[in-house]
Amino acid sequence: KAGVTQTPRYLIKTRGQQVTLSCSPISGHRSVSWYQQTPGQGLQFLFEYFSETQRNKGNFPGRFSGRQFSNSRSEMNVSTLELGDSALYLCASSSGMGGNTEAFFGQGTRLTVV
Amino acid sequence: AQTVTQSQPEMSVQEAETVTLSCTYDTSESNYYLFWYKQPPSRQMILVIRQEAYKQQNATENRFSVNFQKAAKSFSLKISDSQLGDTAMYFCAFMNPYSGGGADGLTFGKGTHLIIQP
Repeated sequence: KAGVTQTPRYLIKTRGQQVTLSCSPISGHRSVSWYQQTPGQGLQFLFEYFSETQRNKGNFPGRFSGRQFSNSRSEMNVSTLELGDSALYLCASSSGMGGNTEAFFGQGTRLTVV
Repeated sequence: AQTVTQSQPEMSVQEAETVTLSCTYDTSESNYYLFWYKQPPSRQMILVIRQEAYKQQNATENRFSVNFQKAAKSFSLKISDSQLGDTAMYFCAFMNPYSGGGADGLTFGKGTHLIIQP
């Protein structure tokens, strides 16, 4: 069974640009969550999608958005990039919502904003 | 909002020793989930162990076990017979599954860097 796939693995962007990251969940999983990991703030929850609907959102500005497609693949978009957006972005998929189902993480996308 | 605190930024033990990682959390909820995740240098987060707050019995997974003290809001991870492959960042995490009709997502601690020395 293939794991969670995140693409691209590495990305370098310039301030002011926008970026789209992709996450393909494990087959059959309908929930996809996104997290930002930085040395200063640690791991922070961005948002969760379930069956193409955003179910919850963390405390991030509106520049961070996402969506989920009918095949459960998810994308997150960051517009008007700032230096502080440099981070490892992790995606996790699970078969359901809540803590009673295990979340499987991808290897992340390392975004560097210069 | 929930907070998760890991007070040990780094720990180092010899191979085969037992090590305990500390975690405390703060919540007003009565039912929730607690997790320990491992993040090796590959950066992929791996679930080590999960505890449901309404279950009094401490969770165990092979060499990994937890000491869950609900009243004290403490959730420590014990690794027995530590191995070189256990070297990684370990994150304690909290989830309230019922907030706002959907999960809040995981709230993570800052992590403990565990180094297993040969």
